Amino acid sequence: QSVLTQPPSVSAAPGQKVTISCSGSSSNIGNNYVSWYQQLPGTAPKLLIYENNQRPSGIPDRFSGSKSGTSATLDITGLQTGDEADYYCGTWDSTLNEYVFGTGTKVTVL
Amino acid sequence: EVQLVESGGGLVQPGGSLRLSCTVSGFTFSSYWMTWVRQAPGKGLEWVASIKRDGGEKYYVDFVKGRFTISRDNAKNSLYLQVNSLRAEDTAVYYCSKSLGYFDSSGSYYVASFDYWGQGTLVTVSS
Repeated sequence: QSVLTQPPSVSAAPGQKVTISCSGSSSNIGNNYVSWYQQLPGTAPKLLIYENNQRPSGIPDRFSGSKSGTSATLDITGLQTGDEADYYCGTWDSTLNEYVFGTGTKVTVL
Repeated sequence: EVQLVESGGGLVQPGGSLRLSCTVSGFTFSSYWMTWVRQAPGKGLEWVASIKRDGGEKYYVDFVKGRFTISRDNAKNSLYLQVNSLRAEDTAVYYCSKSLGYFDSSGSYYVASFDYWGQGTLVTVSS
């Protein structure tokens, strides 16, 4: 049972925008950096966003992250068919003393 | 080019043991914390354990404490996960990852993200 809650799925047409939420608490998101990962079918996860809103080199600016209080958000604009994947948020939980991942969100391009 | 290659997975009976390995290249292994993350079939990501640069600090998810041991050999650029007393629910792909983190104002270190991942090694626990 994850302590970070994400919507199971989101969908939109190509070129549109999707927003994925990640809800936590003061012991995790509220006081620690959030990162986001993309997992294409059958592959290992890939870092998309770190330190709440920073993109590693090579990640297009269509992907953006933000954090407010105990929630974080990943926005994907200009949606492409290649963006169909599972997306996970993650952060350290200072109470559990563990790293926690969100429940995961499947993005479907209609 | 950064590469992480896991090995050591396989089919094991309940109660059995395995030693997973992860050999890395393309970065200074001894300068980074490292982490194991697992994913059960059709399920989400689950953090398993992280280890400090020199191996002096280790953190585990609660339900593997006492059964799994993370270790590293900086001379061999290798990360390990000894998994004992395996249960059916430990069946998963196990990924090793290079970890990034930060120190807070009190000097405590927190693992924050995983910027490179291996391809994973499958552990199947079944009789």
